[in-house]
Amino acid sequence: NAGVIQTPRHKVTGKGQEATLWCEPISGHSAVFWYRQTIVQGLEFLTYFRNQAPIDDSGMPKERFSAQMPNQSHSTLKIQSTQPQDSAVYLCASSLEGWGREQYFGPGTRLTVL
Amino acid sequence: GEQVEQRPPHLSVREGDSAVITCTYTDPNSYYFFWYKQEPGASLQLLMKVFSSTEINEGQGFTVLLNKKDKRLSLNLTAAHPGDSAAYFCAVSELNTNTGKLTFGDGTVLTVKP
Repeated sequence: NAGVIQTPRHKVTGKGQEATLWCEPISGHSAVFWYRQTIVQGLEFLTYFRNQAPIDDSGMPKERFSAQMPNQSHSTLKIQSTQPQDSAVYLCASSLEGWGREQYFGPGTRLTVL
Repeated sequence: GEQVEQRPPHLSVREGDSAVITCTYTDPNSYYFFWYKQEPGASLQLLMKVFSSTEINEGQGFTVLLNKKDKRLSLNLTAAHPGDSAAYFCAVSELNTNTGKLTFGDGTVLTVKP
């Protein structure tokens, strides 16, 4: 079991550029979560998919951020017109279906916006 | 929404000493609780999931106590060793079947000195 895979591990963008982050959940896991980790804000929930359907995006900034899950093997988080405050480690997690299931995290993508 | 307070933010102990990290939460509907360990530069590693009130769960070198009456969760590393040096996070999942999102504490950076 390879665990949750995230690519790229590091990404540097210039202010105003677009960034796309990729996540491959653990095979058989139907729930996918995105979180963001910064020193100032800590770990924040962004969005959640169940069986590829968006269920909860209450943590997503309303502008510039979007997430998709086009198939069961990958999800993407896209940030348009990146800003320095978007610099963070973006973590993807997956779990089996069902409330309260353990979430397993990927290694994260460190996004740096210059 | 749920708020989780984790204390202390930093903890330094000698090898062989115990280390206790405590989280308090606000939402009485919170039902599932998790402890994660994050080593420098690495992702979140699940240590334990608990959900029964006032239950002591024993893992490898640590115990977890959940007191739902006091809305308090604690992690006790019983005989810390340098390999335990890491950041530790508690996380809470609310009683809501529409989302499995986790609300995290701000973390505790544990340093175990030889």
